[in-house]
Amino acid sequence: GENVEQHPSTLSVQEGDSAVIKCTYSDSASNYFPWYKQELGKRPQLIIDIRSNVGEKKDQRIAVTLNKTAKHFSLHITETQPEDSAVYFCAASRAGTASKLTFGTGTRLQVTL
Amino acid sequence: DAGITQSPRHKVTETGTPVTLRCHQTENHRYMYWYRQDPGHGLRLIHYSYGVKDTDKGEVSDGYSVSRSKTEDFLLTLESATSSQTSVYFCAISEWTNSYEQYFGPGTRLTVT
Repeated sequence: GENVEQHPSTLSVQEGDSAVIKCTYSDSASNYFPWYKQELGKRPQLIIDIRSNVGEKKDQRIAVTLNKTAKHFSLHITETQPEDSAVYFCAASRAGTASKLTFGTGTRLQVTL
Repeated sequence: DAGITQSPRHKVTETGTPVTLRCHQTENHRYMYWYRQDPGHGLRLIHYSYGVKDTDKGEVSDGYSVSRSKTEDFLLTLESATSSQTSVYFCAISEWTNSYEQYFGPGTRLTVT
């Protein structure tokens, strides 16, 4: 089955700096890669996703890049703000298989003032 | 938030007792999922459903069973709870018409003593 590895497990940045979280996946047939943000005590919520026919997608301060050849994808957050502090999860799936997601183990991002 | 509720939200039970968690949706989405979340493991799929009475196993299904007799309800049963099943359980729903996004419920914190 699919295996997703996520790094780093914790990340501390100063407000205004950029943050990058990286994930690798094992199943070359995976073609859907979402990123979820989970605040303390809350449910995970989708912040951005990318499909394998696209190399990069951007939404305001958040961007995701995908390298299918290397089987890795990354989340980029620019101009970080304290409200970006949360745990971020990457995931991968084959669209067409009930969208069964395999998640990474999460990155705890702390944005300090 | 999508119309997803989980009940109970918190439960403490003893080893060996049966436990049933309920997920209820008002979105009429076809797909429903049960995940467990544990520190260091991210979210792991337990079981999922692709329609009424249509279910299948995820990566950590041992010790769990599910049922879906109506579109809106997906039940997760621990036949004989063990301490290793202490976790936070999330239900999620999705519909593939426009996106593969999964919407998560608020979670159930289960403690098995």
